Amino acid sequence: DGGITQSPKYLFRKEGQNVTLSCEQNLNHDAMYWYRQDPGQGLRLIYYSQIVNDFQKGDIAEGYSVSREKKESFPLTVTSAQKNPTAFYLCASSPAGGAFSEQYFGPGTRLTVT
Amino acid sequence: EDKVVQSPLSLVVHEGDTVTLNCSYEVTNFRSLLWYKQEKKAPTFLFMLTSSGIEKKSGRLSSILDKKELFSILNITATQTGDSAIYLCAVATTDSWGKLQFGAGTQVVVTP
Repeated sequence: DGGITQSPKYLFRKEGQNVTLSCEQNLNHDAMYWYRQDPGQGLRLIYYSQIVNDFQKGDIAEGYSVSREKKESFPLTVTSAQKNPTAFYLCASSPAGGAFSEQYFGPGTRLTVT
Repeated sequence: EDKVVQSPLSLVVHEGDTVTLNCSYEVTNFRSLLWYKQEKKAPTFLFMLTSSGIEKKSGRLSSILDKKELFSILNITATQTGDSAIYLCAVATTDSWGKLQFGAGTQVVVTP
């Protein structure tokens, strides 16, 4: 079945530790995105990638890093520099090219940092 | 700065009621407006609206866009408890490639 997987579903970390969230898609989509969702704030874009080996900062990139070494994978690292890392993280993908298309979302990872 | 505002932020209705959700936007170079439904986890796509005045329907859900007044509404008729979710509105612009600007969402609770 085609889709987007994120792991783990729940993640707990101590303050000061870096943590990497996994995102994999088998939809053959060129573009991938990372969002953060906090209560009452909707989705905010952290990073996005239009193509392998290329990515751009979104609206709230500080304290996060990404890589895009393979088309199907777009891992997000939450570093110790992120001041408020506890949140629900959503990964999405979409076909790229000239025609605009909706984004398809993974099931999310809920990160709790104490 | 681009802005997408949804209202109300939350509402509670009884099964069978009709619900109308609003999404207004202020963006430069508008391309499309999208509606998503988010239950517990992944938002699922509902509608994409590009042209003004053309209603899109899917079962009990429908949506329409007004590009002159810069808003969209999402209607849910004969609501069921399975309609309980957060409904997200997002806007794409022609100069932002594939990026979406999301509103805060409307939490809908349908009680039996």
